[in-house]
Amino acid sequence: AQSVTQPDIHITVSEGASLELRCNYSYGATPYLFWYVQSPGQGLQLLLKYFSGDTLVQGIKGFEAEFKRSQSSFNLRKPSVHWSDAAEYFCAVGGITGGGNKLTFGTGTQLKVEL
Amino acid sequence: DTAVSQTPKYLVTQMGNDKSIKCEQNLGHDTMYWYKQDSKKFLKIMFSYNNKELIINETVPNRFSPKSPDKAHLNLHINSLELGDSAVYFCASRDEGLKAFFGQGTRLTVV
Repeated sequence: AQSVTQPDIHITVSEGASLELRCNYSYGATPYLFWYVQSPGQGLQLLLKYFSGDTLVQGIKGFEAEFKRSQSSFNLRKPSVHWSDAAEYFCAVGGITGGGNKLTFGTGTQLKVEL
Repeated sequence: DTAVSQTPKYLVTQMGNDKSIKCEQNLGHDTMYWYKQDSKKFLKIMFSYNNKELIINETVPNRFSPKSPDKAHLNLHINSLELGDSAVYFCASRDEGLKAFFGQGTRLTVV
């Protein structure tokens, strides 16, 4: 079974500070990994994805994530957080299997940005 | 141009009623999903359809019945609504690379 763990439910950072959101996954094959952001009252928007190749992937809004197979992790980072980054962040794992395909989401990390 | 659109955005109804949520995508994707997001923001897949065919049914009560008249539409019908059905329901479609595009969500409140 596939699963995602986001250990931090809430994170508060000051504007301009760096950010790292943690994500650990469990998947029986080569994982497809994603980070999504959800602003209040909105749907989910894809920030970035990893399928293969370079383990450091760049996304929109200045976000990046690093895939570490040995640690089963896919942590999201941003060097300098902006107030508009305050939102809920979801890590997800997926793949294409004989039983179909689906994205399994973590429980989310709520990011608050102090001005 | 909205890629994935859901209607209605808000739905308030009484227990025992039957309601439907509609979803349409204009991206030409073959695969569509319904997800349920509970009050703690946890997102759980309910159904997955590929080209009008049910692929995944994640142990959802049979009061929930998805219907896909064509691959651009995946509607969700819920019978005999219960208080525990209150949640935000998201429709999504997926491209060949597993990138999912989500609708804005439908906030269902059962009173």
